[in-house]
Amino acid sequence: NAGVTQTPKFQVLKTGQSMTLQCAQDMNHNSMYWYRQDPGMGLRLIYYSASEGTTDKGEVPNGYNVSRLNKREFSLRLESAAPSQTSVYFCATDEGQGGVTEAFFGQGTRLTVV
Amino acid sequence: AQRVTQPEKLLSVFKGAPVELKCNYSYSGSPELFWYVQYSRQRLQLLLRHISRESIKGFTADLNKGETSFHLKKPFAQEEDSAMYYCALNSGYSTLTFGKGTMLLVSP
Repeated sequence: NAGVTQTPKFQVLKTGQSMTLQCAQDMNHNSMYWYRQDPGMGLRLIYYSASEGTTDKGEVPNGYNVSRLNKREFSLRLESAAPSQTSVYFCATDEGQGGVTEAFFGQGTRLTVV
Repeated sequence: AQRVTQPEKLLSVFKGAPVELKCNYSYSGSPELFWYVQYSRQRLQLLLRHISRESIKGFTADLNKGETSFHLKKPFAQEEDSAMYYCALNSGYSTLTFGKGTMLLVSP
């Protein structure tokens, strides 16, 4: 049982390049999230999808787009990468629907923009 | 706006010493609070949630609504407790707001 799987694990981009971070879950959860983790800043929510077919902005959405492809998959796209987007990105899922449930995290994607 | 404050970036203790990681929150509704932990090279995982009132790995956390706090405590720290700890608040429709985290280092 893989849980939450993110690809890739590491990536180096040049400024201006684009890329898509992939996240897939096999937990049959409704809600999926993208966070970025920066030293001294904790985890900040970029975008989330409360259910299949919906997406909403989080705290720091600028420079990102997302797609909830189906119930299992939630991708994060950087259209034109900037050095400020150097970070560790985490995908997370939970049962959603307004309940108090445990969030499960992927192993993270370490992105460096040079 | 919801906010979670963890005042200490780093907490360093010796093995066997008591540990208290502080967490304060601001939220207008009824808070749902969690502690998540990230061990070295591992993914973030749930440690405690306030509604379950359980003790995990010797850690406990009590919600104090009067002081708007949810401090994490352990009477005797172990080296394997060394990790990054995040306090988090459910801010509506299951979106979590995280504090900035406290790195706990337990020395032998």
